[in-house]
Amino acid sequence: EIVLTQSPATLSLSPGERATLSCRASQSVSSYLAWYQQKPGQAPRLLIYDASNRATGIPARFSGSGSGTDFTLTISSLEPEDFAVYYCQRRSNWPTTWAFGQGTKVEIK
Amino acid sequence: EVQLVESGGGLVQPGGSLRLSCAASGFTFSSYSMNWVRQAPGKGLEWISYISSSSSTMSYADSVKGRFTISRDNAKNSLYLQMYSLRDEDTAVYYCASLLPEGWFDPWGQGTLVTVSS
Repeated sequence: EIVLTQSPATLSLSPGERATLSCRASQSVSSYLAWYQQKPGQAPRLLIYDASNRATGIPARFSGSGSGTDFTLTISSLEPEDFAVYYCQRRSNWPTTWAFGQGTKVEIK
Repeated sequence: EVQLVESGGGLVQPGGSLRLSCAASGFTFSSYSMNWVRQAPGKGLEWISYISSSSSTMSYADSVKGRFTISRDNAKNSLYLQMYSLRDEDTAVYYCASLLPEGWFDPWGQGTLVTVSS
């Protein structure tokens, strides 16, 4: 089973700063990786899919990169509403399964 | 407006059963595969089950295989999760989520809380 490891566990930054979140897979997942944002008391929201494609309605300050085993979510300039927990997710086509990383919390410094 | 609304959560004793429902509206439910994802209190997300649009294919996480059954009724625009032999560690908020053609989850419902405790 392919395991996703996110780092750091917590990122303490100020509004306007750049956030760089990492997700590493134990084996190659090609570009089958997505990123989600979850705010307290809310359901997750899809941000990035297939490693680098922004989902509908997602601001351009969110970008994703990587392939194989190393992936990055970048928030170019943090807005107050961006402080949240971020999860990466991989999928496998056979059998059809998905798994999440353990999450990175972006908190206000 | 695309909407998913879960229901059926509550308090159940260890070893008990519960059936969750997810009502879909605002899109052609029968065309989309669906998933269940759960989140234990203060913990991360765990994918637990998938069902294809026609119910021809289903899959489960090892943690629930043999105890949980996913199903759907396209005529009723509804997704279900039948849970048996519940354990303390099944306590979580359970979300249903639609599967985009690209293979990712969007949108999600607001979740329903299942608490397994004596």
